[in-house]
Amino acid sequence: EDQVTQSPEALRLQEGESSSLNCSYTVSGLRGLFWYRQDPGKGPEFLFTLYSAGEEKEKERLKATLTKKESFLHITAPKPEDSATYLCAVPGLSGGSYIPTFGRGTSLIVHP
Amino acid sequence: DSGVTQTPKHLITATGQRVTLRCSPRSGDLSVYWYQQSLDQGLQFLIHYYNGEERAKGNILERFSAQQFPDLHSELNLSSLELGDSALYFCASSGRSGTGSGNTIYFGEGSWLTVV
Repeated sequence: EDQVTQSPEALRLQEGESSSLNCSYTVSGLRGLFWYRQDPGKGPEFLFTLYSAGEEKEKERLKATLTKKESFLHITAPKPEDSATYLCAVPGLSGGSYIPTFGRGTSLIVHP
Repeated sequence: DSGVTQTPKHLITATGQRVTLRCSPRSGDLSVYWYQQSLDQGLQFLIHYYNGEERAKGNILERFSAQQFPDLHSELNLSSLELGDSALYFCASSGRSGTGSGNTIYFGEGSWLTVV
């Protein structure tokens, strides 16, 4: 069964304190790994898609990397506005479709 | 703005009632996905439609049903509502691949359902 596990469940950082979030996955034949940001009561906002081991993508203070078993979301010098839940997802085969299966997320709080 | 539109944003209804949630996908997207998010369950896949046809079912209750219409908008019907159905319901859409392989999905802002 395809699985996605995110750690830690929650993370508190001081403004400017860099850290990394982890997403480990088990899937037969990776067809992309997706990172989303979700604010409370809002829809997940797409951040990155990674397709192959070694791939990296950056957006402002965020950088996502991918290996054959896991992905990391590195947050450099975070600001309070980076506080959110970060979700990763991996498509798994269901019926005739590849359906993104989501991890439980990492809740990030950045203190000023 | 993801381009995925969901209505209503909030609704409160009584147990035993029926509600319909509506979703308009991004322009040009043929796939629509429905997810349920509750505090203790995370994002749970319900159902996937591609160009009007049901393609995959997740943990969708028999009391729930969905459709995708010729104009590609979709509706999720929830009936005989129970307190435990209170949750955020998200619609997402993606591009032209019927299998969804490799497609990024884009979410709407959700419909917050409270059953009292």
